[in-house]
Amino acid sequence: EPEVTQTPSHQVTQMGQEVILRCVPISNHLYFYWYRQILGQKVEFLVSFYNNEISEKSEIFDDQFSVERPDGSNFTLKIRSTKLEDSAMYFCASRPGELYGYTFGSGTRLTVV
Amino acid sequence: ILNVEQSPQSLHVQEGDSTNFTCSFPSSNFYALHWYRWETAKSPEALFVMTLNGDEKKKGRISATLNTKEGYSYLYIKGSQPEDSATYLCALNTNAGKSTFGDGTTLTVKP
Repeated sequence: EPEVTQTPSHQVTQMGQEVILRCVPISNHLYFYWYRQILGQKVEFLVSFYNNEISEKSEIFDDQFSVERPDGSNFTLKIRSTKLEDSAMYFCASRPGELYGYTFGSGTRLTVV
Repeated sequence: ILNVEQSPQSLHVQEGDSTNFTCSFPSSNFYALHWYRWETAKSPEALFVMTLNGDEKKKGRISATLNTKEGYSYLYIKGSQPEDSATYLCALNTNAGKSTFGDGTTLTVKP
């Protein structure tokens, strides 16, 4: 069964450093998303991406965040200057159309120290 | 801010018991409601996407109903098994761009 793959599974970084979280969505999917879950809290929406552009972003997704789909297969989330409060599990998801459920990746656990 | 509420927060049942839990949401601007099953150390897995009032979906022993006018969805598990132990997440789409998730209901099924 097709999967959404995410790398790395765990990333530890120093505060102020830049990180790039990588995702390979399912190849025939058209809608791409990043969500995150801070330990003990709800899953939170960050950003959606469709037709090579951001379609919606949350208030969390400020100027330190950016997304790219550079080569038609990878979908990356960049955090420019990490803060302690960015520590969370980051999930990438994709779906083929608006009325389908998401297929989630297995997540990247980001720890900012 | 859209608030999606799930209850109960956690549930412990014996193997063979049937159980249900609730997802509540503001009943306006409804687009689609999703149920996900999330096992520890795995990623959330889509169970159902529901779009119509009165819609009922079924997958094996698990089924879900939706009432958009009253703003709730029920997830039912018939004859719970230990492998049903997981967190069940409800997520509401008010547009195609994003989902708002509830806190989840964590189900533990004891053998």
